[in-house]
Amino acid sequence: AQSVTQLDSQVPVFEEAPVELRCNYSSSVSVYLFWYVQYPNQGLQLLLKYLSGSTLVKGINGFEAEFNKSQTSFHLRKPSVHISDTAEYFCAVSHQAGTALIFGKGTTLSVSS
Amino acid sequence: SQTIHQWPATLVQPVGSPLSLECTVEGTSNPNLYWYRQAAGRGLQLLFYSVGIGQISSEVPQNLSASRPQDRQFILSSKKLLLSDSGFYLCAWTRNSGETQYFGPGTRLLVL
Repeated sequence: AQSVTQLDSQVPVFEEAPVELRCNYSSSVSVYLFWYVQYPNQGLQLLLKYLSGSTLVKGINGFEAEFNKSQTSFHLRKPSVHISDTAEYFCAVSHQAGTALIFGKGTTLSVSS
Repeated sequence: SQTIHQWPATLVQPVGSPLSLECTVEGTSNPNLYWYRQAAGRGLQLLFYSVGIGQISSEVPQNLSASRPQDRQFILSSKKLLLSDSGFYLCAWTRNSGETQYFGPGTRLLVL
């Protein structure tokens, strides 16, 4: 069975600092990997996704993530965060197109000045 | 372009009352549709998904049900709400053979 572990429930950082949000998954088959962002009282917005090809994927708002098959990880990074990046971030996995996603429990990123 | 709508945005209901939440998708045909519930600190839990009209798969046994009366309409219902039904309900869609899910704005339900 697939599962997703987001290793940090909360990550506080200062503005303009770099940040990494960690995500590990378990699956016995090939997977598709996603990061979503959720601002308060809103739905989820897709940040980026890995389907195949280059293991480094770039998304919106300056975020990027690297797929590491040997470590079964898909960590999200941003070199310099802004106050507006404060939100909850979800990592998700699926193994087949058109099927439901398995989500991690989320990481709350808090950016302060 | 495609858009997904959910209503109502917020709902406060007494225990034991019925529920109907609606989700509609525009700009695509024959989408796969999903209902998730997000409870505080517990991430997203898949409740139901549908690959076509009248085709519903349930992931979690509970007092909720789902229906898909039209191609781009997905409804979440309950005959009698429980306190534990409180949460943020999110609808999502994918293309029939697509990998990426797109989410609606959500409905916040508070059962008192």
